[in-house]
Amino acid sequence: NAGVTQTPKFQVLKTGQSMTLQCAQDMNHNSMYWYRQDPGMGLRLIYYSASEGTTDKGEVPNGYNVSRLNKREFSLRLESAAPSQTSVYFCASRIQGGGEKLFFGSGTQLSVL
Amino acid sequence: GQQVMQIPQYQHVQEGEDFTTYCNSSTTLSNIQWYKQRPGGHPVFLIQLVKSGEVKKQKRLTFQFGEAKKNSSLHITATQTTDVGTYFCAGPRAAGNKLTFGGGTRVLVKP
Repeated sequence: NAGVTQTPKFQVLKTGQSMTLQCAQDMNHNSMYWYRQDPGMGLRLIYYSASEGTTDKGEVPNGYNVSRLNKREFSLRLESAAPSQTSVYFCASRIQGGGEKLFFGSGTQLSVL
Repeated sequence: GQQVMQIPQYQHVQEGEDFTTYCNSSTTLSNIQWYKQRPGGHPVFLIQLVKSGEVKKQKRLTFQFGEAKKNSSLHITATQTTDVGTYFCAGPRAAGNKLTFGGGTRVLVKP
């Protein structure tokens, strides 16, 4: 089982460029999440999808959009990258909401110059 | 909104010593989860606590959920170099589908 797969692992962008981070899970999970991790800030939720066909904002959604393409895939798009979006991005999934544990992907290191 | 705070932010520990990291929530939690992230890695689930006053052990790690379900602690005995990493606690928001993570405690072990 691959679990949660993220691509790419590393990306360098110039300010104003756009890109999409891809995430796929093969565990038949309903809920999927995008977090960003900055030093000393822990993990902050950007967007999540409770189930296929639904998405909702997290703590820091500004500058991002998401698409729940199907049950397996949840992508994160930066329309016009800014240096403040330099971060490590993690995708995660879990069976359902509530008390279920999260499974994380290996992360994407993004630098915006 | 709900806040989850962890202290200390950094913990330097001599190999073989014990230490404790603490997690405090501004609101009562239905449950609390702990994750470990090795340097350069991704967070990995360790444990979940649900009941008031609950204590769970995993080898040298002891997790406790406070009586008021607003705080939690992780105690590691006889620290080893394999314990290096950042430990996060996380609690569900009121709606249930979102987890709020604490800022983490980064553990460094001196051999």
